[in-house]
Amino acid sequence: DIQMTQSPSTLSASVGDRVTITCRASQSISSWLAWYQQRPGKAPTLLIHKSSILESGVPARFSGSGSGTEFTLTISSLQPDDFATYYCQQYSSYLWTFGQGTKVEVK
Amino acid sequence: EVQLVESGGGSVQPGGSLILSCAASGFTFNSYAMSWVRQAPGSGLEWVSHIRGSGGDTYYADSVKGRFIISRDTSKNTLYLQTNSLRAEDTAVYYCARGSGETLSGYWGSTTYYHMDVWGKGTTVTVSS
Repeated sequence: DIQMTQSPSTLSASVGDRVTITCRASQSISSWLAWYQQRPGKAPTLLIHKSSILESGVPARFSGSGSGTEFTLTISSLQPDDFATYYCQQYSSYLWTFGQGTKVEVK
Repeated sequence: EVQLVESGGGSVQPGGSLILSCAASGFTFNSYAMSWVRQAPGSGLEWVSHIRGSGGDTYYADSVKGRFIISRDTSKNTLYLQTNSLRAEDTAVYYCARGSGETLSGYWGSTTYYHMDVWGKGTTVTVSS
């Protein structure tokens, strides 16, 4: 199975900060990577697919990049709604796997 | 409005069974692959199972293979997950999600890559004696 490792596990930040989350795959997944946001008690929502394609309705402050084994999710200016947990997920193989999650909390 | 609504969760003893359902609306159900993803209390997301739009191909995580069965009824626009031989570690919120695919074709044939673009609110399964 392809292992996905996110860093950091927890990130403390303030409104207006630029935030970057990293996701590494144990083998190349080309650009078949998605990012999801999950607020407490809610279902995940899709932010980005194919590494960098922003889902319709997702604010432009979110961006994704990377290919192969290393990927990043960047929030250019953190907003109050963005305090949540973020997951990367590879869909290169038919055994989809998620990263362990990165919780973005208030500093 | 595109919507997925899960049901069928509950409390069950170890070794028991449950059938989870996911009612889809607002899109052409048989044109999309569907997945189940679960989240144990305080833990991250774990993909469980996937079924193609045609219903012909199914895939399972090793943790549930041989115990869970995914299926779909296109006449009812409903996805199912038959969960058998349940264990304490199957306790989780179970989400269904729509799979949106991109197909690449080459000399080797074609492969479709699915990401999960719409999620339901989830249904809770608790396995305890």
